[in-house]
Amino acid sequence: GDSVTQKEGLVTLTEGLPVMLNCTYQTIYSNAFLFWYVHYLNESPRLLLKSSTDNKRTEHQGFHATLHKSSSSFHLQKSSAQLSDSALYYCALGQNNNAGAKLTFGGGTRLTVRP
Amino acid sequence: NAGVIQTPRHKVTGKGQEATLWCEPISGHSAVFWYRQTIVQGLEFLTYFRNQAPIDDSGMPKERFSAQMPNQSHSTLKIQSTQPQDSAVYLCASSLEGWGNQDTQYFGPGTRLLVL
Repeated sequence: GDSVTQKEGLVTLTEGLPVMLNCTYQTIYSNAFLFWYVHYLNESPRLLLKSSTDNKRTEHQGFHATLHKSSSSFHLQKSSAQLSDSALYYCALGQNNNAGAKLTFGGGTRLTVRP
Repeated sequence: NAGVIQTPRHKVTGKGQEATLWCEPISGHSAVFWYRQTIVQGLEFLTYFRNQAPIDDSGMPKERFSAQMPNQSHSTLKIQSTQPQDSAVYLCASSLEGWGNQDTQYFGPGTRLLVL
């Protein structure tokens, strides 16, 4: 079945340094649709960005990610971390078999940005 | 637009008791999803409905968990004979189409269940 791997469970950065959160996925289908959701403390998880286009950079709120189907990756990046970026980040894969719409989530990466 | 509404926000039950969690999707959305969030497992899919019909319950523990969607404005997740390992944040999400792999899901604030 589909699976998503986020190899870092915890990432701690100093403000101003670049952010890179890893996401790789496995699916037997070619039409992968990948999402990044962000979950701030005391809020609901919400969509940060999504993509299904190979090798195209997708940007939102200072974050960007590029889907690379050759390496099955969708890493989340930001050039300069801010204190307000501290949150739990989930990478997710949309169901691919035209039978539904559920998401398969990775284990999540908790990003902490320190002054 | 009030977003997805979940009640209660917090629930504490004793082992063996029943817990019912409620979800009101965004008006006009066709699909409702239930997920469970724990530190160890992250976000796990439980079940989902489209146009009130159950579509996929592959993530539901079969024996004590059940979900219903009696009308388009609410869904319930019921856990019978709760166990300490059921302690988690239960998240409900809704989406416009509920079909296809690019549909954005909008999450509620979750219900934090603690089983003592």
